[in-house]
Amino acid sequence: LAKTTQPISMDSYEGQEVNITCSHNNIATNDYITWYQQFPSQGPRFIIQGYKTKVTNEVASLFIPADRKSSTLSLPRVSLSDTAVYYCLVGVSGGSYIPTFGRGTSLIVHP
Amino acid sequence: EADIYQTPRYLVIGTGKKITLECSQTMGHDKMYWYQQDPGMELHLIHYSYGVNSTEKGDLSSESTVSRIRTEHFPLTLESARPSHTSQYLCASTPRGLNTEAFFGQGTRLTVV
Repeated sequence: LAKTTQPISMDSYEGQEVNITCSHNNIATNDYITWYQQFPSQGPRFIIQGYKTKVTNEVASLFIPADRKSSTLSLPRVSLSDTAVYYCLVGVSGGSYIPTFGRGTSLIVHP
Repeated sequence: EADIYQTPRYLVIGTGKKITLECSQTMGHDKMYWYQQDPGMELHLIHYSYGVNSTEKGDLSSESTVSRIRTEHFPLTLESARPSHTSQYLCASTPRGLNTEAFFGQGTRLTVV
């Protein structure tokens, strides 16, 4: 199971772009990279998933370099409501895959 | 919206009581999970299931037990609640295929007094 490393916390201000980088040096060939968002007292919520290059949806973008040893979640123009914990997970569905959540990155958006 | 439900949402109970936390999903997912999370801390996997009649213990030792008699239902039981069981319990499921997206319920906040 590929281990992930992310910053423990980040601070930003409303309207700024926030980039959270996750390292996963031991990522396997078939592994996908998935990011979740969690608000206090709620379960994590899926944000975005990718395998390589760039993925964009209505919430965020995910940048994955060619070696796939890291990935960057980009949140454009954050607002106070983006204050949450963000988790990076690596794995491939099926078989013995179990979603394993680390400490995540606590993002605080200031006015 | 994800179709995975947990009840109750909040529960305050006395020491020594038996409790069951309910989790149901209507997505037909084979794999289901229970996590325990204290405020500001990471999620710890306590139980998981690959499908009907399959249950496994997770990374974090827990005095709770689970059952999986039906695909859609994955209840967690504490035979004798203690204050150390006070925590948030989160249920999740994942589909088959390459998509690894986990769907979570709203959680049950348990307080044992």
